[in-house]
Amino acid sequence: GQQLNQSPQSMFIQEGEDVSMNCTSSSIFNTWLWYKQDPGEGPVLLIALYKAGELTSNGRLTAQFGITRKDSFLNISASIPSDVGIYFCAGRPNSGGYQKVTFGIGTKLQVIP
Amino acid sequence: DARVTQTPRHKVTEMGQEVTMRCQPILGHNTVFWYRQTMMQGLELLAYFRNRAPLDDSGMPKDRFSAEMPDATLATLKIQPSEPRDSAVYFCASGLVGGALSEAFFGQGTRLTVV
Repeated sequence: GQQLNQSPQSMFIQEGEDVSMNCTSSSIFNTWLWYKQDPGEGPVLLIALYKAGELTSNGRLTAQFGITRKDSFLNISASIPSDVGIYFCAGRPNSGGYQKVTFGIGTKLQVIP
Repeated sequence: DARVTQTPRHKVTEMGQEVTMRCQPILGHNTVFWYRQTMMQGLELLAYFRNRAPLDDSGMPKDRFSAEMPDATLATLKIQPSEPRDSAVYFCASGLVGGALSEAFFGQGTRLTVV
């Protein structure tokens, strides 16, 4: 089945720094999703990407759908303490049904004030 | 403020006991998912329903797990008998296939500990 490699697995950064994380897949996806999970909560959708090459922003967050359809990245600019959490990428393949979303293992982000 | 509601938030039970987790999807959503999250495996899809009908439960251990949607406002996930390896956070999510934004919205989860 599909495998998603998400990196890095954890990051410690200073407040104000920019952050970048990415996901690569062993196969093609036609949808890339980025979620954030706060401690004790469920994942919350940040950005959804549906087209190869698409670049989408949500406030200080920017995500891109790779041209090869096998990768995506998420950037956070000027990090703040509330950015702390676990960020998940998720992908949906061409031939899969609605349910076949594969999640990455997550990137745990810690922001040092 | 529409959200997916899960109960209970926490459950501690002894091995062998039955566990029932409940989920109220967002009103109007036609698709409901059950996920399990562990440190080792991350988020795994257990089952999903479309218009209350089970479409895929291939991710669920059939011998002890069962998922149902008695009505459009309630989804349940049962484990009988529970085992320590079932300890995890179980998430329900709902979505609207065919809507403007059809991606899944997650509940806050049920943290299950089986001792």
